[in-house]
Amino acid sequence: KAGVTQTPRYLIKTRGQQVTLSCSPISGHRSVSWYQQTPGQGLQFLFEYFSETQRNKGNFPGRFSGRQFSNSRSEMNVSTLELGDSALYLCASSLVWTQETQYFGPGTRLLVL
Amino acid sequence: AQTVTQSQPEMSVQEAETVTLSCTYDTSESDYYLFWYKQPPSRQMILVIRQEAYKQQNATENRFSVNFQKAAKSFSLKISDSQLGDAAMYFCAYLNRDDKIIFGKGTRLHILP
Repeated sequence: KAGVTQTPRYLIKTRGQQVTLSCSPISGHRSVSWYQQTPGQGLQFLFEYFSETQRNKGNFPGRFSGRQFSNSRSEMNVSTLELGDSALYLCASSLVWTQETQYFGPGTRLLVL
Repeated sequence: AQTVTQSQPEMSVQEAETVTLSCTYDTSESDYYLFWYKQPPSRQMILVIRQEAYKQQNATENRFSVNFQKAAKSFSLKISDSQLGDAAMYFCAYLNRDDKIIFGKGTRLHILP
């Protein structure tokens, strides 16, 4: 089975722009979670989608949003980018709605200038 | 809110030796999951080991084992016969009953040849 894939792998944006990141889960997995990783804050949970519904949400502003499609692929959108949004964005997929066993993708490195 | 603390930002161990990474957590819950994740330089997070709080027996995966002390809220990872491929950032993580995962800041492990 192919692993979790994320596109693009690297992205450079400027402040004020918006960005969309994509995550394709392992075939058959219905849950996708998103995380932000920065040197200062570490790894933080953004949100989780299961069967096209947001099940859980971390403590991030409304500029961060996501969605999940019927094929379980998920997108994450960040609007009005700030310098502090520069981070590695990881997504993880799991078979069911719980995060007990999840598989991570390679991440998307976002740099905001 | 739960917290996860990894008190050792960096550690080094000689190849073939044994090393223990520390993790403590704070929670009022009685039922939860604990994890150790490995993030090598390639950045892809890999689940190393998982422990269910209601199980008293310490989890083991080949050369990796944990010392789970529920009363002390301690969850250390022991790596036996360290190999060069073990060099990575190791994250301790806690999954609460709301199905939100909280990560520690990580410990960077160096393997000395």
